[in-house]
Amino acid sequence: EVQLVESGGGLVQPGGSLRLSCAASGFTFSDHYMDWVRQAPGKGLEWVGRSKKNTNNYATEYGASVKGRFTISRDHFKNSLYLQMNSLKTEDTAVYFCAVGIAVAGPNDYWGQGTLVTVSS
Amino acid sequence: DIQMTQSPSTLSASVGDRVTITCRASQSISSWLAWYQQKPGKAPKLMIYKASTLESGVPSRFSGSESGTEFTLTISSLQPDDFATYYCQHYSTYPWTFGQGTKVEIK
Repeated sequence: EVQLVESGGGLVQPGGSLRLSCAASGFTFSDHYMDWVRQAPGKGLEWVGRSKKNTNNYATEYGASVKGRFTISRDHFKNSLYLQMNSLKTEDTAVYFCAVGIAVAGPNDYWGQGTLVTVSS
Repeated sequence: DIQMTQSPSTLSASVGDRVTITCRASQSISSWLAWYQQKPGKAPKLMIYKASTLESGVPSRFSGSESGTEFTLTISSLQPDDFATYYCQHYSTYPWTFGQGTKVEIK
């Protein structure tokens, strides 16, 4: 069974940093693209970025609003995906989901439950 | 970046109604479009991908179509479980983007 479990959310001050984790199980971690998607309170979905799979050397892509501030990485020993968030702004306040496409190429058919990040002084 | 314009933002309908949601891309995305359903407090659920391919387990009352850069999600006969918010997302070129969402409410 595919499972994605996010952790690491919490309250952080503007300008601060936070690292989110996504523990993955039930599939071959290195063989799949993985995404971070966020949702501000009461707002729509926003694609944050992607870690590509092994055949793409785990290259990363980012959305415009986070590029240069956020970094996505993987730990293959722990089967975990990470989102390092630096220079946080109040507008980064959101629930952060990790997601993976297992049976489909492109979009994501499995999602975690999300972790809430609040950026506030 | 490719912009996805989704309409309407809110839709009031009754059980049994035929419902249509539209998503327009700012440039060609071929058929690289997905539709997600999201209920309050839950993660999104993939419903349709590649514009018209139904995800496994999704009821056949859901369908997707395309005409150029305009994409449509249709629910042929709305059921109580379908009241939710729906999002389109393109996955043509990076960065990917979502539409603003359509909330389907009970009339």
